[in-house]
Amino acid sequence: AQKVTQAQTEISVVEKEDVTLDCVYETRDTTYYLFWYKQPPSGELVFLIRRNSFDEQNEISGRYSWNFQKSTSSFNFTITASQVVDSAVYFCALSDGDSSYKLIFGSGTRLLVRP
Amino acid sequence: DVKVTQSSRYLVKRTGEKVFLECVQDMDHENMFWYRQDPGLGLRLIYFSYDVKMKEKGDIPEGYSVSREKKERFSLILESASTNQTSMYLCASSPGLATIPSTDTQYFGPGTRLTVL
Repeated sequence: AQKVTQAQTEISVVEKEDVTLDCVYETRDTTYYLFWYKQPPSGELVFLIRRNSFDEQNEISGRYSWNFQKSTSSFNFTITASQVVDSAVYFCALSDGDSSYKLIFGSGTRLLVRP
Repeated sequence: DVKVTQSSRYLVKRTGEKVFLECVQDMDHENMFWYRQDPGLGLRLIYFSYDVKMKEKGDIPEGYSVSREKKERFSLILESASTNQTSMYLCASSPGLATIPSTDTQYFGPGTRLTVL
C-alpha cells in the first residue's frame, strides 16, 4: 500500500539557517508523482512542486530546493537562508497507479522560523 | 489564478445538527475533493467528485455525504453532526487530466474550521 512518512513533526530554526524537511514514500509502482504543498497560518494549501518518478534531477527554485532519491525512496525539501515567512506546515504527497485521482498525504511538518 | 472558495472560515454547530459546507471553484475543473485535516494525521480524503453528479468515497466517508449539482460547486453534508467531526475541512479542485497515476495538481481553498459542541 502507498504511504508517505514525514517523521519530523515540528522543526524550529532561527532566521537565515538552512533547514531540510524529510519525506519518505512507499509505492509498488514504477510510475508515480510526488508533490510538496505549503500551508501557511491562513490555512490554504499552496502547491510548491510536482516531480515524476523518472526525473531524478534535483530542482531549485530560489531559496527552495528538492532532492529526489529513488534509491532511498525520499523526496526531501531544503529551504536555504530561511525567513520568518517560511513558517508554515509543509506536506509531502504521492500519486501512483493505485491511488487514482487521490493524493496520499504525509502527516506534515510544522516549521517555525524565529527572528 | 485558480480560485477555490469555501463558504465559511469558522463554523460552530450543535451535536445532531445538519451541516452544509460549500465549495466553489472558478477554473472549470473536472475534479473536486473534500478532505479533513487533524493534527498528526495529515489530510484524509472524505469524498471526491470527477464529474457533475458523480462521486466516489474516499478514505473516511462515514457520517458524510456530498452533492455536486453544478460543475463549479461541491457541497459536503454532515447529516447529524457529532463532536468527533470537529476538524478543519479543506476543499480542493483539479483539472482532471486523464492520466493514471494522476498528474493533476490540486488547488485548495482556505479551509473551514468546524467545531461541534
